[in-house]
Amino acid sequence: QVQLQESGPGLVKPSETLSLTCTVSGGSISSYYWSWIRQPAGKGLEWIGRIYTSGSTNYNPSLKSRVTMSVDTSKNQFSLKLSSVTAADTAVYYCARGRPYGDYLDPWFDPWGQGTLVTVSS
Amino acid sequence: DIQMTQSPSSLSASVGDRVTITCQASQDISNYLNWYQQKPGKAPKLLIYDASNLETGVPSRFSGSGSGTDFTFTISSLQPEDIATYYCQQYDNLPRTFGQGTKVEIK
Repeated sequence: QVQLQESGPGLVKPSETLSLTCTVSGGSISSYYWSWIRQPAGKGLEWIGRIYTSGSTNYNPSLKSRVTMSVDTSKNQFSLKLSSVTAADTAVYYCARGRPYGDYLDPWFDPWGQGTLVTVSS
Repeated sequence: DIQMTQSPSSLSASVGDRVTITCQASQDISNYLNWYQQKPGKAPKLLIYDASNLETGVPSRFSGSGSGTDFTFTISSLQPEDIATYYCQQYDNLPRTFGQGTKVEIK
């Protein structure tokens, strides 16, 4: 079965760039939408954006100016970069696969990675 | 963005009780709504898709209904292992948006 694993620094300084990678195992990264979702401590879920294996992206307008996603199909990985971070970007970051259904390529998220906590602090 | 409003934000019920959570969308989303369960320290898990379809392997005590703007998630008989936070999520449009969550506790 497909498994996802987030990796990257757990501590990022304010104004710097947060960089995370999600490694997909147990299946191919091809022909799916892959999303990043974050969750501040004790709060709800925020969809950051998605990338298709062709490299096509859609970002949440609230973060669009600071987000870049990329995919490396040869490594079965996709990545997130979030620039100019502040304390408000402190959260658990999840990667997730969109599961195709009907005419939709990613109506829901399954599976998810276990999540990685990123703290923004000097 | 489509705003998803869940209520209540938390509830406390006894084992065996029927538990109901509502989710209201800021515009008509047809049946393009999913429900997730999130236990502490874990990633969300899909329970219900397309408003009323039970994900494979999910106990039948969980159910969902609704269409348009108003949706309901029900646990017919609350079990201790159901202690979690539950989220609705719409997929009618981008960006994908979630409700703020409903924390379910045992009384």
